[in-house]
Amino acid sequence: GENVEQHPSTLSVQEGDSAVIKCTYSDSASNYFPWYKQELGKRPQLIIDIRSNVGEKKDQRIAVTLNKTAKHFSLHITETQPEDSAVYFCAASVEDKLIFGTGTRLQVFP
Amino acid sequence: GAVVSQHPSWVICKSGTSVKIECRSLDFQATTMFWYRQFPKQSLMLMATSNEGSKATYEQGVEKDKFLINHASLTLSTLTVTSAHPEDSSFYICSANDRDTEAFFGQGTRLTVV
Repeated sequence: GENVEQHPSTLSVQEGDSAVIKCTYSDSASNYFPWYKQELGKRPQLIIDIRSNVGEKKDQRIAVTLNKTAKHFSLHITETQPEDSAVYFCAASVEDKLIFGTGTRLQVFP
Repeated sequence: GAVVSQHPSWVICKSGTSVKIECRSLDFQATTMFWYRQFPKQSLMLMATSNEGSKATYEQGVEKDKFLINHASLTLSTLTVTSAHPEDSSFYICSANDRDTEAFFGQGTRLTVV
């Protein structure tokens, strides 16, 4: 089955700097790659997603890149703000089943 | 976007009792729903796929007799934790996909077994 690895597990950046989180997946049949932000005790919130027929997608300060050959995808957050502090999860989807990465705790210091 | 509602948001039960959690798609029909479990400071782990009108598909290592799933209608799936024990205490969350593949999550249920 699908296995998703995520790095780093924690990431601390200064406000205004960029943050990058990387994920790799194992199942070449995965075709949908969402990224979620989760606050404590809350449901995951979709922040951006990318499908397997696209290499890059951007939404304001957030971008995601996908390398299907290498089976890895990355989340890029530019101009980070303290409110970006949260736990971020990547996921890979096969037949609508989501397999999540292990999570990254991002802390943005003012 | 689509709305998935989960109930209850939290529950405390005694060890050995059973607890039922409901997951409803409010504005769309979902032939498939998914159940996840999340322990503190860990990721969401897929437990099972709930299939409307047929048996659920469980992930490896998940006891189907302990976590009973029923998906009797196109808008409702239920997860029953049977004979709950303290180690079953966790955050349980369901999801359903709309036609565009995007997953919509319920609010989650915090289960505490005492």
